[in-house]
Amino acid sequence: QLQLQESGPGLVKPSETLSLTCTVSTGSISSTTHYWVWIRQPPGKGLEWIGCIFSSGTTFYNPSLSSRVTISVDPSRNQFSLEVTSVTAADMAVYYCARGKSGVDDLDIWGLGTMVTVSS
Amino acid sequence: QSVLTQPPSVSAAPGQKVTISCSGSSSNIGNKYVSWYQQLPGTVPKLLIYENDKRPSGIPDRFSGSKSGTSATLDITGLRTGDEADYYCGTWDTSLHTGVFGGGTKLTVL
Repeated sequence: QLQLQESGPGLVKPSETLSLTCTVSTGSISSTTHYWVWIRQPPGKGLEWIGCIFSSGTTFYNPSLSSRVTISVDPSRNQFSLEVTSVTAADMAVYYCARGKSGVDDLDIWGLGTMVTVSS
Repeated sequence: QSVLTQPPSVSAAPGQKVTISCSGSSSNIGNKYVSWYQQLPGTVPKLLIYENDKRPSGIPDRFSGSKSGTSATLDITGLRTGDEADYYCGTWDTSLHTGVFGGGTKLTVL
């Protein structure tokens, strides 16, 4: 069963860049039938779709975050990554990576999530 | 403000049935598949329903989904206290070119 694992700093200073990586195990990130997603959930709040990337490198971002977000993929490491620039307290959340199915868009596999705190 | 609209909360007694609605538009639910996710307290969201009305392996048939026009519905029958969770609908929005979620509905089993 394919698994996803987020990794990265749990603490980021305001105005700096948040960087997270999702490692795909027991499966290939180069699948043409799936794509790779970042989602976040602020404490006590709902889910927010950040963006996604296909194995081709094509990306789609939430318009509300697109000016600060970059998602990239490294097939050689079976990883995809998230960068959010100029973070503020509003970016504090649990960040999840997930796998989406092309054409039907359900997210069938999720990572355990990683909490990112924004504080000086 | 979520693109998809869900009631913030619903409640019902054990054994009863509850319905959770998810309202969207022609740029999302109206033309795309809807999925539903269950997030038990302190856990990772789990896919509950995909392609509007299909259940992944291991999801009991007490959970069912449907879609009509620009709205979708999640029905849960034979409620159990273990069903207490937050439920989210999700789909793709062809105007925004991104995935979208509803704001979530907290289910309380009284």
